[in-house]
Order: sequence, then C-alpha cells, then structure tokens
Amino acid sequence: KNEVEQSPQNLTAQEGEFITINCSYSVGISALHWLQQHPGGGIVSLFMLSSGKKKHGRLIATINIQEKHSSLHITASHPRDSAVYICAVDGGATNKLIFGTGTLLAVQP
Amino acid sequence: NAGVTQTPKFRVLKTGQSMTLLCAQDMNHEYMYWYRQDPGMGLRLIHYSVGEGTTAKGEVPDGYNVSRLKKQNFLLGLESAAPSQTSVYFCASSPGQGAGNQPQHFGDGTRLSIL
Repeated sequence: KNEVEQSPQNLTAQEGEFITINCSYSVGISALHWLQQHPGGGIVSLFMLSSGKKKHGRLIATINIQEKHSSLHITASHPRDSAVYICAVDGGATNKLIFGTGTLLAVQP
Repeated sequence: NAGVTQTPKFRVLKTGQSMTLLCAQDMNHEYMYWYRQDPGMGLRLIHYSVGEGTTAKGEVPDGYNVSRLKKQNFLLGLESAAPSQTSVYFCASSPGQGAGNQPQHFGDGTRLSIL
C-alpha cells in the first residue's frame, strides 16, 4: 500500500463545476503539499498546510490531521485548471517529500 | 529571478553513454533534491543534499551519482545509462530546516531517453 493515496486518479468535469480531489496518507507528517503540473510542464506549489484550511482564489485546501486526510477543492472550474494535481507529504527532518501518483483533471468547456 | 534552472531540457542517449544533468538555483537554498517521474508513479527521490559538500541517497539511487560542490549547483550523473533510466528528471530546492516547513521550488524538468 502506498504511503500517499490520491483519488480519483482521473477526473473529467464541465466548466463551472465544483471539484474535489482527495489525499490520504499513512505516515506521520509535519506538512502536506498540493502541487500542480500542466501537461509537459513544470511543477508548482499550490499549498502547504499542517492544519485547518487555506484558500487562494478559487482553490481551497483542507487537512484533517487526526484522520490523515486532505482535500483540494476547485470552485467554478475552468478549462485552464486542467492539469495533474499532486499531493505530497513532508516527514520533516530534511523536507523530503513522499508523493502521491497524481490526479489528472480535465475541465471541458 | 530564474529560480531553479535545469540543463539540458531534452537529451537522447545510447545505452552505456554517460551524462550529467545540471541544476542551478539562485535563491540561496540549503536543500536540493533530484527526482524522477515515470508514468503511473509518483515522483521518486533519487538523491538529495542538505548543504554544500553533502549528499545522501533517496528512494531510488542506484545507477546515479550526485555532487554539490557549490551551494547553488546540484549535479546528477549517469555513469552508464540504461533504458530503465528513461524518465523525466526534476530538480527542486528548499530553504532548509532552519526556515521550518517550506514549499519546494521545482525546475522545468529534463526529458531523458535512453535507446
């Protein structure tokens, strides 16, 4: 069993829909990261959180430390949100990350 | 600011050839990392460094060597390339433990094909 599990693996949505991507982990962490990767592109950090909730524009990330679960929400989705969204956990000592396999999101106009 | 720059962006090698991938960061970060990304798998850590002159093995270090002679540069070497090393390689950096938890900054990746 992978230490970081994401669901779903693939997601197709219509423009304007509310989207949720889930991440569960089985190890102790100091922080959880959500990253975005566009096709053929680099990787950018969206959020880093260790408790509660963070919001940036139409993106919201939440984490429940007791349940070892995090969600990434996208409100009013747009085709430019189409990308791979990656969850990663940080064990703390050297900021080494353990990555999930990613969720491929396609938002259709 | 350039951030994290990887050189080259693309490369095709023949089995048995050697090459070095260069990662340079201009943010004065202490920690640097090399990952590989393969279809259907999450990014996997090859080697990392917590400061100039230090290196350590990650999850998949076999077949690779690294060096961090200067704080801003982290080199990944393939001494004898194998088809199993065909992958996209990402370099990343972060400020270091003294800064607490911080996001990692990624380069744009190097697409490497071994024939």
